[in-house]
Amino acid sequence: KQEVTQIPAALSVPEGENLVLNCSFTDSAIYNLQWFRQDPGKGLTSLLLIQSSQREQTSGRLNASLDKSSGRSTLYIAASQPGDSATYLCAVGNFNKFYFGSGTKLNVKP
Amino acid sequence: EAQVTQNPRYLITVTGKKLTVTCSQNMNHEYMSWYRQDPGLGLRQIYYSMNVEVTDKGDVPEGYKVSRKEKRNFPLILESPSPNQTSLYFCASNQAGTGGWIDEQYFGPGTRLTVT
Repeated sequence: KQEVTQIPAALSVPEGENLVLNCSFTDSAIYNLQWFRQDPGKGLTSLLLIQSSQREQTSGRLNASLDKSSGRSTLYIAASQPGDSATYLCAVGNFNKFYFGSGTKLNVKP
Repeated sequence: EAQVTQNPRYLITVTGKKLTVTCSQNMNHEYMSWYRQDPGLGLRQIYYSMNVEVTDKGDVPEGYKVSRKEKRNFPLILESPSPNQTSLYFCASNQAGTGGWIDEQYFGPGTRLTVT
């Protein structure tokens, strides 16, 4: 069964800092990997989707990379802002099932 | 506006009283899922549906039922709720193609269920 791990579980940084969130998975036979943002009491908002044939995706200040062979993905956030404070989740798609990590709770201090 | 809607958003019920949480999407997606989110356990897939009349179990299907009679709707049914089903529930949908291509998932706002 696929296991998805996110490290660290929580992260507090000053505004303006560049940061990296990590996601690792045990089964490299994935179809895609998706990064989400979840605000307290809210649903999940999709940030980036990387198909298994891709190595990275970029959207604004966000860049996600995927290394299937090593079972790792990273989400890079450039020039962090207080509005980036949220929980970030990664999800791995194995054909018709999805497996989520427990998330990294990010706090960006003004 | 493309969206996934869930109702109700909040529900408090008693053990054994059957309930249904509705989910609807307006994006003509084939694939729909139900998840529950619990502290420390993350999101776990309960059931999913590849298309109308095609459903299958996820990782935690015990105590739940689903149906997919129409493409846009995917209700979650708890026939006899128990306190361990107290959780935050999310419905999601996405486009799925042949050969394993899967598009991004869109999530509903969540339903907070408390079973006493």
